Amino acid sequence: QSVLTQPPSVSAAPGQKVTISCSGSSSNIGNNYVSWYQQLPGTAPKLLIYDNNKRPSGIPDRFSGSRSGTSATLGITGLQTGDEADYYCGTWDSSLSVAVFGGGTQLTVL
Amino acid sequence: QVQLQESGPGLVKPSETLSLSCTVSGDSISSYYWSWIRQPAGKGLEWIGRISTSGSTNYTPSLKSRVTVSVDTSKTQFSLNLSSLTAADTAVYYCARDRGFCSSTSCFYYFDYWGQGTLVTVSS
Repeated sequence: QSVLTQPPSVSAAPGQKVTISCSGSSSNIGNNYVSWYQQLPGTAPKLLIYDNNKRPSGIPDRFSGSRSGTSATLGITGLQTGDEADYYCGTWDSSLSVAVFGGGTQLTVL
Repeated sequence: QVQLQESGPGLVKPSETLSLSCTVSGDSISSYYWSWIRQPAGKGLEWIGRISTSGSTNYTPSLKSRVTVSVDTSKTQFSLNLSSLTAADTAVYYCARDRGFCSSTSCFYYFDYWGQGTLVTVSS
């Protein structure tokens, strides 16, 4: 049971937009900054978004992040088949004193 | 470009201790925290613990009694020891650069570089 809650799967057609939600509490998302990771099949996670909405160098602006209250959202526009992956949200939980992740969301580009 | 590479045994017996190392290249190991994260097959990510190059550590409570993370700045390496292994410890183990920082009001937390991961199987 993950501290952060994500939908197990989402899907959309190529070229469309999709959003992935991440729900937490005041001890994690509510007061701390959120990051997002993309894990392509058989590879290590890759940082997509940090500090709620910042993109590392090399990450296209098709990927965006936002936070509101105790929830965060990852948005992906102009979907490509290469975006098919598992996506994880993460942050720090101040009550547990641990880094926490969501259970992951599998994106299918139909 | 920062690169991390895990090394260690792929198969360990139950009740034994797992020892993994992570070698960092492309940047100084100093002034950062370094973390270990694991992922059982088909499951999500679990943070294990972190260390700074000054030796300050934090561990996830569920593993704290069995985990030790250490650092060797001369070798630009940090290591994970996990004792009393069971089948539940079978997972891909990742090392990562940890950019966590807490101010008086909130924490900024993310992992910006990851190793490729190493599969550890606990079996007799």
